[in-house]
Amino acid sequence: GAGVSQSPSNKVTEKGKDVELRCDPISGHTALYWYRQSLGQGLEFLIYFQGNSAPDKSGLPSDRFSAERTGGSVSTLTIQRTQQEDSAVYLCASSLGGSWTNTIYFGEGSWLTVV
Amino acid sequence: AQTVTQSQPEMSVQEAETVTLSCTYDTSESDYYLFWYKQPPSRQMILVIRQEAYKQQNATENRFSVNFQKAAKSFSLKISDSQLGDAAMYFCAYRKDSNYQLIWGAGTKLIIKP
Repeated sequence: GAGVSQSPSNKVTEKGKDVELRCDPISGHTALYWYRQSLGQGLEFLIYFQGNSAPDKSGLPSDRFSAERTGGSVSTLTIQRTQQEDSAVYLCASSLGGSWTNTIYFGEGSWLTVV
Repeated sequence: AQTVTQSQPEMSVQEAETVTLSCTYDTSESDYYLFWYKQPPSRQMILVIRQEAYKQQNATENRFSVNFQKAAKSFSLKISDSQLGDAAMYFCAYRKDSNYQLIWGAGTKLIIKP
C-alpha cells in the first residue's frame, strides 16, 4: 500500500478483555516495529521484526503482550487481559531494512482506551 | 542506559521567524545516530532530519537544520522561516549503531503564531 496502515484507529475495551491491533506495512518493507506512546510521553519501543522473526522483543512490557508477523507482511500485536495502564497509542512502523539509513515510516496508530 | 531529554515542553514562534528546539542525550557509545521527527495531530510520525554522530558537519534539509555538539551531547533543531504547517509535536530520537531501537525524548509542542 501507499503507507503503513493500522487498524482499528480507535478501540475502547473493558479491563480484562483481550485486544488485537493490526499493522499492514509498506509493501516490500522487511523491517517492522511496534512502539507505544502514552499521553504526553515519547515513544516506547516494544518489538522489532525482520521478516517474520523478532530478533528484539526486549520492549514488551509483560507476558500479556505478544506479537506476530506472517508472510513477511501483516503484523498483529495482541494484549491479553488488558489493564488501564495499557491505555496508549500503539504505533507501527516499517522500513526497507533494519539499517539506520532506511527511513522508518509510521502509521497513524491505534488509540487504545481501557475502561 | 541511553536517555534523551527535551527540556522545552512547548515553544511558540511568529510565522516567518526562526525557532530552535533543544535536545540533549546521554550515551557512552561513540557511534550512533540522531533524529528529529514531527508528529502533527494526525499522529503520524514524520522524519524531519537525521545526523550521524561520526559526521561533524551539521545536517540540513531545506528550512530545517541541526546544531550537533557531540562533546556536549546536544542536538538542537533550527527551523527557519516558520510556516503554519510546521505546528506539531517535535521529537528527538537516538539510535545506537548496533541496535534497532529508537530512544525518544518526551517531545516539544511547537505553536506557530500567524
